[in-house]
Amino acid sequence: GQNIDQPTEMTATEGAIVQINCTYQTSGFNGLFWYQQHAGEAPTFLSYNVLDGLEEKGRFSSFLSRSKGYSYLLLKELQMKDSASYLCAVKYAGNNRKLIWGLGTSLAVNP
Amino acid sequence: DSGVTQTPKHLITATGQRVTLRCSPRSGDLSVYWYQQSLDQGLQFLIQYYNGEERAKGNILERFSAQQFPDLHSELNLSSLELGDSALYFCASSGGELIDTQYFGPGTRLTVL
Repeated sequence: GQNIDQPTEMTATEGAIVQINCTYQTSGFNGLFWYQQHAGEAPTFLSYNVLDGLEEKGRFSSFLSRSKGYSYLLLKELQMKDSASYLCAVKYAGNNRKLIWGLGTSLAVNP
Repeated sequence: DSGVTQTPKHLITATGQRVTLRCSPRSGDLSVYWYQQSLDQGLQFLIQYYNGEERAKGNILERFSAQQFPDLHSELNLSSLELGDSALYFCASSGGELIDTQYFGPGTRLTVL
């Protein structure tokens, strides 16, 4: 199958760094998205990785290792407003018209 | 603001009824996707349209149907509603037919009583 695995919940402290992992089936992999979703709101696009390595965007960075079927989202200098669900979604070749979504990681940032 | 609009924001109806949810994609986007998100569940892909034609189907029930009109707005029709259909329904749009970044509308919260 094309399961996407993410931890269900994580907790971190304001000002700290947190890493949210995502693993997926490597066969046919064709790109990976990270989205942020606050409770009751729409998912918002954070990053897209298709090549190995780290993509940095301000406080948020996303890393991809295609051979390991692994990605992570790194959030630095955590703020209370970063409390949200973080969704990993993978595009597969041959299935290009739909993303396979993880169930999301619910991050709670505590003061 | 993603540029994707959805109406209505909230909808409360009774079992057995039929409702229509509406979505306008970002300016220039040709693809529209519909998703269902129930409480504590992930995003469930329902259906995709590209430039007026159905392109992909996910876990869409036979009681549900959708279409995309010449002006590219889309409607999702839900009929014979059941309690379990209560959920957030999101529309997303993207520029191309194949997947590129999807931008989500604010969603319609459907409550079936």
